Amino acid sequence: AQKITQTQPGMFVQEKEAVTLDCTYDTSDQSYGLFWYKQPSSGEMIFLIYQGSYDEQNATEGRYSLNFQKARKSANLVISASQLGDSAMYFCAMRRTGRRALTFGSGTRLQVQP
Amino acid sequence: DTEVTQTPKHLVMGMTNKKSLKCEQHMGHRAMYWYKQKAKKPPELMFVYSYEKLSINESVPSRFSPECPNSSLLNLHLHALQPEDSALYLCASSQGYLERAGELFFGEGSRLTVL
Repeated sequence: AQKITQTQPGMFVQEKEAVTLDCTYDTSDQSYGLFWYKQPSSGEMIFLIYQGSYDEQNATEGRYSLNFQKARKSANLVISASQLGDSAMYFCAMRRTGRRALTFGSGTRLQVQP
Repeated sequence: DTEVTQTPKHLVMGMTNKKSLKCEQHMGHRAMYWYKQKAKKPPELMFVYSYEKLSINESVPSRFSPECPNSSLLNLHLHALQPEDSALYLCASSQGYLERAGELFFGEGSRLTVL
């Protein structure tokens, strides 16, 4: 069975600073995908970034980067230059190769302060 | 603006009512999903349609009945719900091929209250 753990229920960061949201996972699969989603108060889940288990380089998408440490089974999200609009709930998720279902972590609520 | 449209945004229904949630996407995606999200919890997968065929049913009670009339539309028919079914129901879509299956495009959800 797969499990995603996000140990930070809430985080605060000052505007323009960088922040790291933690995610660890547990799986016996060799091939899998890791994802981060953002959920603002509007309710819509927004896909941010993807990392494949065989990708040698950390994924980056604009201000988002994924710090992937396969041996430690961690996939932390780094947001650089935080903006007020980054205030939201952030979910880490994993998908087994060959399956459509995503397993989500419990989420981290990020609040960006001016 | 989201490219996945869900209606209604809010729904209040009694336990004996029959209602439906609707979802539409025009991105040419061939996989569509229903997720249920309780307050302060992560989304939980309910159903997956792949190429208009039901491919995953996560042991959801029969009072929830999904329907995929075509590749752009996804419905969730609701009947004889319980108050504990009150939640945000999220529709999502993704590319048909599995390699991109985790990149989901979500709607804003339908917030359901069962009295």
